[in-house]
This record gives sequence, C-alpha cells and structure tokens, in this order.
Amino acid sequence: DAGVTQSPTHLIKTRGQQVTLRCSPKSGHDTVSWYQQALGQGPQFIFQYYEEEERQRGNFPDRFSGHQFPNYSSELNVNALLLGDSALYLCASSLGTSQAYEQYFGPGTRLTVT
Amino acid sequence: AQKITQTQPGMFVQEKEAVTLDCTYDTSDQSYGLFWYKQPSSGEMIFLIYQGSYDEQNATEGRYSLNFQKARKSANLVISASQLGDSAMYFCAMTSTNAGKSTFGDGTTLTVKP
Repeated sequence: DAGVTQSPTHLIKTRGQQVTLRCSPKSGHDTVSWYQQALGQGPQFIFQYYEEEERQRGNFPDRFSGHQFPNYSSELNVNALLLGDSALYLCASSLGTSQAYEQYFGPGTRLTVT
Repeated sequence: AQKITQTQPGMFVQEKEAVTLDCTYDTSDQSYGLFWYKQPSSGEMIFLIYQGSYDEQNATEGRYSLNFQKARKSANLVISASQLGDSAMYFCAMTSTNAGKSTFGDGTTLTVKP
C-alpha cells in the first residue's frame, strides 16, 4: 500500500521564477492538504483540496495556488518566488475533511529560492 | 482562531526513562481532534497518537500516551522507556470541524542520551 508521495524531493529556483510541486495521496484517500514548514518552525497550513475544489485556505497570498485532479493527486504552484518561500513543503492526505481522520504526510519537497 | 503552544523548545531524557512533552491549545470549538507527530531529521512527519475532544479516556499507542486535560486545554505527550531512535522534533497539532485544517505548534526537539 503506497503512502503519500511527493515530487521532486529537492528544488532550487531563482527569485521571480515559478514552481510546481506534486503530490499523490495515500491509496483510498480523497483529501489533500498542503503545508509550508520554514526551518525551525511548525508547518503552516496553505490550503486543502477535496472533490477537486479548494475547501480551506490559510493566510497565504494568491501567488500560492493549487489544483486537484480526478485521481485525487494534487499540485501546488507558487508564482513570483521570493527568498522567503524557501521551506519544506509538505503534502498530507486524509479520507474526508473531518478532523477525526488521521492525516498521512509525504516526505516533503525542500524548495530553495536563491 | 486555533492556537497550539509548545513551551519547551528542547528536552533531554536519559535512555529508558520516561519524558513528557507539553502542549496547550486554544479553540472556541467544541469538537476537535488533537494529534502528535514526530519529525526526524529526514523531514517526514510521522503520526504518533490522536485524541478526540469527546474521548473520555486518554489515548495510548504502544510507548506513547496522551495526557488529555480538557478543562486545562492541555494535551501532553508521554513517551515511556525512551529509545535513542526517539530523538527528533515533536509537534502537537489540532483540527476542528469549523477550521477544517490542522494547526501546529512550533515543536519540541527531544534528545535521548545513552
């Protein structure tokens, strides 16, 4: 049973560029959430996708956008990259959006903006 | 708004001893879930234990137990018989029906000494 997978593992981009991160949820899961984790801090919620729609959004600018596909996989896009966007980006999947469901996290994508 | 507070940036424990990691939370919701995650240096977030706000008994999972005191809004993690492999960052998190997302604390770095 495959867990949550994310690609790429590491990424280096230049300020002003655009980046796309990808996530495949655990088998049987239909909800994907994205988090940004800066060094030494806890993850910050970016947004959540369920039934191909953005259901919840954290305090992130419109430069951060996403998409969920019919197979429940998801993409996170960040435009006009800033140095402050350097972080570990975590994807988590769950079954439904209820708080009772355990989230399974992927290994993350480490983004470095230079 | 939800908030998680972890007041111990770093903790040390001797191998085979027990350790308690503190977590307090703030929410106006009546229905919520509390989680603890372990994050090794590799970066992957590993689910440890879950406690629902209506659960009357404290959750236990092997060497992990959650000391849930609802009136005090605390959800401390107790790790018994510490092992060297327990050295990692530990995050407390909560979700609620209204918020629909997980809010994380800033984490506690646990170091197990041989």
